[in-house]
Amino acid sequence: ETGVTQSPTHLIKTRGQQVTLRCSSQSGHNTVSWYQQALGQGPQFIFQYYREEENGRGNFPPRFSGLQFPNYSSELNVNALELDDSALYLCASSFRDRGPEQYFGPGTRLTVT
Amino acid sequence: QKEVEQDPGPLSVPEGAIVSLNCTYSNSAFQYFMWYRQYSRKGPELLMYTYSSGNKEDGRFTAQVDKSSKYISLFIRDSQPSDSATYLCAMTSGGYQKVTFGTGTKLQVIP
Repeated sequence: ETGVTQSPTHLIKTRGQQVTLRCSSQSGHNTVSWYQQALGQGPQFIFQYYREEENGRGNFPPRFSGLQFPNYSSELNVNALELDDSALYLCASSFRDRGPEQYFGPGTRLTVT
Repeated sequence: QKEVEQDPGPLSVPEGAIVSLNCTYSNSAFQYFMWYRQYSRKGPELLMYTYSSGNKEDGRFTAQVDKSSKYISLFIRDSQPSDSATYLCAMTSGGYQKVTFGTGTKLQVIP
């Protein structure tokens, strides 16, 4: 059983640019959630995908968007990057209807300059 | 007011001590209460979760939930240097609903 993987590990972008982060879910999991974790803070829920559709969203603007693919891998896209978008972006996979357990990847550290 | 409040610490204890970590919350709809451990530069790792009120024990770790007080705790017995990490409480109203995290408490266990 493989764990959750994310790519890239680190990324540096300039304000106004666009970025795509990728996540590969744990084998057998059909739900993926994305979180933003600022330094010294807990993860903040961005959105969740189930069966390739958005299934809940946190307090993030529309320039944060995502995709889930048939193999349950996922992407997080952020447009018009702002300095405050600098954070660790975490992907978590789970199996819907099997309890609240989510399994996190190592994260992608995004720096916006 | 944040939905979930957690003392950020840092908390420094000697090896072998009993550690108590706590969170309070305001949303009565929360039903599942989780504790995650996060090492530096890593993703959070689920330690355990509890449904509704009560206690749950797993090895050196015990989770307690008091819904009447909206207060949850994690106790670590015989703490080890390898327990040094940030501990995050997290809560959700349903198995596949949005999960709300606390800010995390940084724990250091000194040999």
